[in-house]
Amino acid sequence: DVKVTQSSRYLVKRTGEKVFLECVQDMDHENMFWYRQDPGLGLRLIYFSYDVKMKEKGDIPEGYSVSREKKERFSLILESASTNQTSMYLCASILSGGNQPQHFGDGTRLSIL
Amino acid sequence: AQSVSQHNHHVILSEAASLELGCNYSYGGTVNLFWYVQYPGQHLQLLLKYFSGDPLVKGIKGFEAEFIKSKFSFNLRKPSVQWSDTAEYFCAVILDSNYQLIWGAGTKLIIKP
Repeated sequence: DVKVTQSSRYLVKRTGEKVFLECVQDMDHENMFWYRQDPGLGLRLIYFSYDVKMKEKGDIPEGYSVSREKKERFSLILESASTNQTSMYLCASILSGGNQPQHFGDGTRLSIL
Repeated sequence: AQSVSQHNHHVILSEAASLELGCNYSYGGTVNLFWYVQYPGQHLQLLLKYFSGDPLVKGIKGFEAEFIKSKFSFNLRKPSVQWSDTAEYFCAVILDSNYQLIWGAGTKLIIKP
């Protein structure tokens, strides 16, 4: 069974702090994603990566960056956290090719005070 | 309640790869089934539809879909994708009970360089 692990379920940080959200998957998937989920807005894609060291902006990349130094790990970085980045963050991975299921982590609920 | 499920929020493929996007619905009666596509910056357009007859339906731009009643599925396929297929794809169902149109959440297809 594929496992996507996010390092924290709950995180509280202060405005202006640099925040790292870590995601690890154990099934050698090429493609990894970071989403945020907000009430009434559904899932919105922040960044995705289709290979090591490759990254592509999603729909809402502003205020975020990512790092993919190893295939199994995809990190989301908030360079200087702001209160409007309080949200639920979800990591996902998927194997390349059609009809493959996308696997999600349990999510990190991040609060910026 | 009746619903339409699309398995993935995002699918990433290389050019020339084969595509299959999943769509399942939860309703035991007669349905009409649709796949729509929305290219970046454009309106929704109909790819193909199934009302009755041959469960394998061919649509525009080389797309096809197969209605499998026993699986409540209507998966979209294309044997070889092109960069221009980058778009969001929506599955939709009309129920014979009330002619309500129910939409899936959409799957964004990304063709990587």
